[in-house]
Amino acid sequence: RKEVEQDPGPFNVPEGATVAFNCTYSNSASQSFFWYRQDCRKEPKLLMSVYSSGNEDGRFTAQLNRASQYISLLIRDSKLSDSATYLCVVDNYGQNFVFGPGTRLSVLP
Amino acid sequence: SQTIHQWPATLVQPVGSPLSLECTVEGTSNPNLYWYRQAAGRGLQLLFYSVGIGQISSEVPQNLSASRPQDRQFILSSKKLLLSDSGFYLCAWTVRGSYEQYFGPGTRLTVT
Repeated sequence: RKEVEQDPGPFNVPEGATVAFNCTYSNSASQSFFWYRQDCRKEPKLLMSVYSSGNEDGRFTAQLNRASQYISLLIRDSKLSDSATYLCVVDNYGQNFVFGPGTRLSVLP
Repeated sequence: SQTIHQWPATLVQPVGSPLSLECTVEGTSNPNLYWYRQAAGRGLQLLFYSVGIGQISSEVPQNLSASRPQDRQFILSSKKLLLSDSGFYLCAWTVRGSYEQYFGPGTRLTVT
């Protein structure tokens, strides 16, 4: 089993749609969780950290379920500019960052 | 504010040639530093990380090495490149006590 797995995608959604990405991780000792976005041929950029209680940043909501070792990202009211690959990242005290393979999102006009 | 630099942006090297990629961070002290590689169409693979000058941990055995000669400088090297070394090389840093990583613009390496 891979350490971090994500929905294979790609997701093609119309503008204004709500889309959800799922991520599972295998290391129960993992302590920190993040979502990054990566545009084509660019570096990944931090989208948001994921906290145990769940957190929201504008149109983006992240949730963590430690018992099920599951992380999710919800994007509401999708914009064309949201088109990118979304990377789930799991870490253990800053010394073992593991990136998922990514889920590609295309928001269509 | 903090800034991370990487150079060169693109590089084409023949098989068997040496490699040196440099990463520097500005605006912070004593960061944790990381080297990643992303092969075409693949996910990011952690290669090395460093928690201080001269302290390097290797995640993947390969013909690459890393060095940290100064607090905010991280260098990735190879004595002889292989075709399989082609990829997008990314340097990243974190502030001590925070595990949010910030990436440099990357170096796109093609080994021919």
